[in-house]
Amino acid sequence: DIQMTQSPSSLSASVGDRVTITCRASQTISSYLNWYQQKPGKAPKLLIYATSSLQSGVPSRFSGSGSVTDFTLTINSLQPEDFATYYCQQSYSTPPELTFGGGTKVEIK
Amino acid sequence: QVQLQESGPGLVKPSETLSLTCTVSGGSVSIGTYYWSWIRQPPGKGLEWIGYIYYSGSTNYSPSLKSRVTISVDTSKNQFSLKLSSVTTADTAVYYCARVYYGSGSYLIDYWGQGTLVTVSS
Repeated sequence: DIQMTQSPSSLSASVGDRVTITCRASQTISSYLNWYQQKPGKAPKLLIYATSSLQSGVPSRFSGSGSVTDFTLTINSLQPEDFATYYCQQSYSTPPELTFGGGTKVEIK
Repeated sequence: QVQLQESGPGLVKPSETLSLTCTVSGGSVSIGTYYWSWIRQPPGKGLEWIGYIYYSGSTNYSPSLKSRVTISVDTSKNQFSLKLSSVTTADTAVYYCARVYYGSGSYLIDYWGQGTLVTVSS
């Protein structure tokens, strides 16, 4: 099974900051990596798919990068509505298993 | 606009079977581009993928839950369902149904239900 490890598990940041969240896979997953945002009491929302493609309607301050086993979600100029928990998810195996990372909670400093 | 809605009991006794149904509107479960999935989230914890089904009936389950999970699809009702047997308190969670789309080099979840809390307690 492929395991996904996110770091940090939580962080505090201020509006306007640049935030970086990392996700590491236990083995290669090529570019089969997606990022989701979840706010309290709500279902997750897709932000980035296939490592770096921005989902329609998602602000351009969100970006993704990486390959093989190491991936990054970057939020440029953090906005008040960005305080949430972020999850990575892989789907590399055949047939695909949709494994999630443990999540990163972005809190207000 | 695709919408998914979970339904089923909010309370299940230990050792019994948890059963949930997801009704899909604004789209068809019979379209071959999509898989239909269940994901859960224990209170205060992260997301856990349970499994998915294709309209043809083929399934794939999380290895950690495989022995207890059955996902089925009813194309005539545009629904898919989850059964989780022999539940314990560790199965208490918000259960989400979701649509999985394969495109642009990734299996991604583009639509989610609102989630339903299932509590396992005697």
